[in-house]
Amino acid sequence: DGGITQSPKYLFRKEGQNVTLSCEQNLNHDAMYWYRQDPGQGLRLIYYSQIVNDFQKGDIAEGYSVSREKKESFPLTVTSAQKNPTAFYLCASRGDRGSLNTEAFFGQGTRLTVV
Amino acid sequence: DAKTTQPNSMESNEEEPVHLPCNHSTISGTDYIHWYRQLPSQGPEYVIHGLTSNVNNRMASLAIAEDRKSSTLILHRATLRDAAVYYCILRAHTPNAGGTSYGKLTFGQGTILTVHP
Repeated sequence: DGGITQSPKYLFRKEGQNVTLSCEQNLNHDAMYWYRQDPGQGLRLIYYSQIVNDFQKGDIAEGYSVSREKKESFPLTVTSAQKNPTAFYLCASRGDRGSLNTEAFFGQGTRLTVV
Repeated sequence: DAKTTQPNSMESNEEEPVHLPCNHSTISGTDYIHWYRQLPSQGPEYVIHGLTSNVNNRMASLAIAEDRKSSTLILHRATLRDAAVYYCILRAHTPNAGGTSYGKLTFGQGTILTVHP
């Protein structure tokens, strides 16, 4: 089945370590997004990519980095510069070429805990 | 980016209709209005979207004001499974080098819908 997959579901890391969250989609979508969600809060956009080899900062990009070397993959690295990395991270993808107003599909999220 | 304003929370009884409002007074002429909902500990799921005309699908209806400065998501008969956070968002245009424009998809705080049995 087509879909968007985030792994792992739960991730624990020690403070000061970089960690990379995986996001893969087989929907042939051009656009991919990373969001952060804190308890009781809405989604905040970290980075987004509208096409391979191109990405743009969202509203809270500091302390994060991304790459988009393949259409299917949009990994997010949480660096040691991110002051409060513990959060629920959501990846989304959207759109086929020629359908600019399609819905976004979300993964099930990765809950990152930094101790 | 155009912003949306939603009530923090709403309550409903099971099998009754629910009207979830959203204000977007700074919407631009080409912004689509999207609605998503998020169940606990899950990623959001798409509900419906529209531009100017009212829209219906199997999940809900979307009523858009004539001036497009507000919209209402209508759940015709709420069930316990409809309890979720509902987000109203606008798509911002950000053309990329390839000429496509999928936009930022910026989410607000959403409305927490509680459904009572």
